[in-house]
Amino acid sequence: KQEVTQIPAALSVPEGENLVLNCSFTDSAIYNLQWFRQDPGKGLTSLLLIQSSQREQTSGRLNASLDKSSGRSTLYIAASQPGDSATYLCAVVHTSGSRLTFGEGTQLTVNP
Amino acid sequence: GAGVSQSPSNKVTEKGKDVELRCDPISGHTALYWYRQSLGQGLEFLIYFQGNSAPDKSGLPSDRFSAERTGGSVSTLTIQRTQQEDSAVYLCASSRSGGSSTDTQYFGPGTRLTVL
Repeated sequence: KQEVTQIPAALSVPEGENLVLNCSFTDSAIYNLQWFRQDPGKGLTSLLLIQSSQREQTSGRLNASLDKSSGRSTLYIAASQPGDSATYLCAVVHTSGSRLTFGEGTQLTVNP
Repeated sequence: GAGVSQSPSNKVTEKGKDVELRCDPISGHTALYWYRQSLGQGLEFLIYFQGNSAPDKSGLPSDRFSAERTGGSVSTLTIQRTQQEDSAVYLCASSRSGGSSTDTQYFGPGTRLTVL
């Protein structure tokens, strides 16, 4: 059974800092890995999707990497801003199906 | 274009009553998913529809839960004889095709269900 773990569970940083969120998964047979953002009381917003054959994806100040063989992904946020405060979730799709298996999330607070 | 929409946004019901939750996927998306987000359980998969294929119901927690998708578009999740442990946010997502390396799932805002 696929298990996804995110570390840390919570993170508080001052504005302007660069930061890294970590995600690990137990089964490397995946189609892709997605990073999502969730604001309080809202749904999920897709940030980045990394295909199993890719090593990284970039969007603006966000960069996500994938090391499928070791079962790890990182989300790098450059020059953090208070508007980045949210819960960040990573999720994988196993090659046996289409469902997303989610981690528990990292709650990020960026202080002005 | 329009994203995934869900209704109602909030639903409060009494234990034992039936509820229906609705999801309108992005137009043209053939794959539709239901997930549940509850305290202590995180986000968990419930059911998946792909085109005209039989749905993957393997995530439904009990036979009180059912879902249908009419005309390959709108989906309804029904919970019969609701229990307090059913209280959660129910999220719907859709994607273009399902089950490929490039397939991004887009989520709706969710329905917050409270069972008293």
